[in-house]
Amino acid sequence: DIVMTQTPLSSPVTLGQPASISCRSSQSLVHSDGNTYLSWLQQRPGQPPRLLIYKISNRFSGVPDRFSGSGAGTDFTLKISRVEAEDVAIYYCMQATQSPWTFGQGTKVEVK
Amino acid sequence: QEQLQESGPGLVQPSETLTLTCTVSGASIASGSYDWSWVRQPAGKGLEWIGHVFITGTTNYSPSLQSRVTISVDRSKNQFSLKLTSVTAADTAVYYCAKFLTTRYCSGDFCSNAFELWGRGTLVTVSS
Repeated sequence: DIVMTQTPLSSPVTLGQPASISCRSSQSLVHSDGNTYLSWLQQRPGQPPRLLIYKISNRFSGVPDRFSGSGAGTDFTLKISRVEAEDVAIYYCMQATQSPWTFGQGTKVEVK
Repeated sequence: QEQLQESGPGLVQPSETLTLTCTVSGASIASGSYDWSWVRQPAGKGLEWIGHVFITGTTNYSPSLQSRVTISVDRSKNQFSLKLTSVTAADTAVYYCAKFLTTRYCSGDFCSNAFELWGRGTLVTVSS
């Protein structure tokens, strides 16, 4: 199985300031079709996960443009340009390049 | 608006079978290029993919659960289901059903190969 490792596990931030989360995979996520199936999900307290980003950097429908994704191969980053109160949540990276699909441990973004 | 809703017993006896159903509303389960999936989350922990079923009945399961899992689809009811046998306390979790847009049957930038829609989840406790 591909192991997904996120850092940090906790990220205290000031509202209006940026936040960044890293995700590293134990092997390359480049699929044989040339795409990289790395996505980011947000889970607010008491809610189900919600898709934010797919294929490294594509924002899903309705996701604010303060969220952006980048990276390649085995190293990926989710950035929030200016954290808002509604962004307090746990963020997960997930790979769907090789079955079984696997998730990172989650990074908790909280307000300082 | 499309929604997914899990249903089933909240308490299951050890060694028994956990059975959950996900009802899809606002869209046909037979439309599109989706793997209908189950994911679970133990309290305070991360997400674990259990497996999925395509509308044709083709399934794919996590190797760690494969010997105990069956996922099936019922087109007539617009539902899909999860059966997990021989449960233990380690199977206690919130179980989510989710819709996964699979690139096996679509192409283009919008083909996410990701979980695009989730149910609200249902807590299943394994205890006597």
